[in-house]
Amino acid sequence: AQSVTQPDIHITVSEGASLELRCNYSYGATPYLFWYVQSPGQGLQLLLKYFSGDTLVQGIKGFEAEFKRSQSSFNLRKPSVHWSDAAEYFCAVGGDNYGQNFVFGPGTRLSVLP
Amino acid sequence: DVKVTQSSRYLVKRTGEKVFLECVQDMDHENMFWYRQDPGLGLRLIYFSYDVKMKEKGDIPEGYSVSREKKERFSLILESASTNQTSMYLCASRVVGSPLHFGNGTRLTVT
Repeated sequence: AQSVTQPDIHITVSEGASLELRCNYSYGATPYLFWYVQSPGQGLQLLLKYFSGDTLVQGIKGFEAEFKRSQSSFNLRKPSVHWSDAAEYFCAVGGDNYGQNFVFGPGTRLSVLP
Repeated sequence: DVKVTQSSRYLVKRTGEKVFLECVQDMDHENMFWYRQDPGLGLRLIYFSYDVKMKEKGDIPEGYSVSREKKERFSLILESASTNQTSMYLCASRVVGSPLHFGNGTRLTVT
């Protein structure tokens, strides 16, 4: 069965510091991988996606993620965090099957210190 | 830009009431989904629909039903609301092979 783990429930970084959020997945076929961000009281916004090709993908708001098949990981990175990045981040895996649902990780809450 | 609209941001209902949560998408997406989100439990799939009048149970369908009479609209129905259905409900849509696009959510409180 497919699953997604995000080992860090809560991370605190200082503004301007670099950030890495971890994501590991279990999936039987070639995965489609996603990172979403959720601000308080809002829905989820897509940050970036990996379908195939280049394993380093760029997203919105200066985020990037690297797919490592050998490690079953899809970690999210940002070189310099801004206070507005404080939010909850979800990693998700999904297939391309018709009607295939997605599996979300439990989320990592990011706090940013001024 | 894809727009997924959930009709209510906040809803307060009484135990035993029948509750309708509405979701409309404007991009002709085949697939639509209803999730609930609870602290510590993440997103859990209630139902999804891959076409008009088609539906599939997700991980936690008990106490819920859905309706998809038109492609753009996917309704979640709580037949008899209970306090343990107090939650944030998120609707999403997609075409096959694309990411999920989410609405802003409906925070439902059942008293």
